[in-house]
Amino acid sequence: EPEVTQTPSHQVTQMGQEVILRCVPISNHLYFYWYRQILGQKVEFLVSFYNNEISEKSEIFDDQFSVERPDGSNFTLKIRSTKLEDSAMYFCASRNSGANEQFFGPGTRLTVL
Amino acid sequence: KNQVEQSPQSLIILEGKNCTLQCNYTVSPFSNLRWYKQDTGRGPVSLTIMTFSENTKSNGRYTATLDADTKQSSLHITASQLSDSASYICVVTRYGNNRLAFGKGNQVVVIP
Repeated sequence: EPEVTQTPSHQVTQMGQEVILRCVPISNHLYFYWYRQILGQKVEFLVSFYNNEISEKSEIFDDQFSVERPDGSNFTLKIRSTKLEDSAMYFCASRNSGANEQFFGPGTRLTVL
Repeated sequence: KNQVEQSPQSLIILEGKNCTLQCNYTVSPFSNLRWYKQDTGRGPVSLTIMTFSENTKSNGRYTATLDADTKQSSLHITASQLSDSASYICVVTRYGNNRLAFGKGNQVVVIP
């Protein structure tokens, strides 16, 4: 059964460094999402992406964040200069056109030291 | 202000027993409500989905209910198993922009 995959599973970085989190959505899906979940808190929406552009973003998604679909399969989230409070699980999700179920990847645990 | 509230925050139950998790929401306009199961360190996996006109939906030992008038939902787990230990997240989709509103989850621990 097709699934969303994410790499790496765990990323440790120093404060101020750039990180890129990678996601491979389900192949025929057209809508892509990033969410984050700080430890012990609820999942929060970051950004949605469709037709090679951001369709919606939350207040969390500031200038330090960017998303890209560099090729036909990958969907990336870049954090330019990480802060301690960026430490969280980051989930990628995708859905098909005409369907409203989003399928979530296993997440990347980002730890900023 | 969180638009989806879940209770209890956590509970411990004996293997084989039943439990019921509650979700209240204020999301409007409403499109659908899903219950997700999230194992530790994993992404959420959808268990059930209900639209406005549905008031119950089952998936194996999981049964979800929805009262769209009072904006309440519940998830009932029957004959719990050790593998049911997880966080159960209530997620409400807003009609129109399809934005998801997440609850904090109900942390369930099943003990032998």
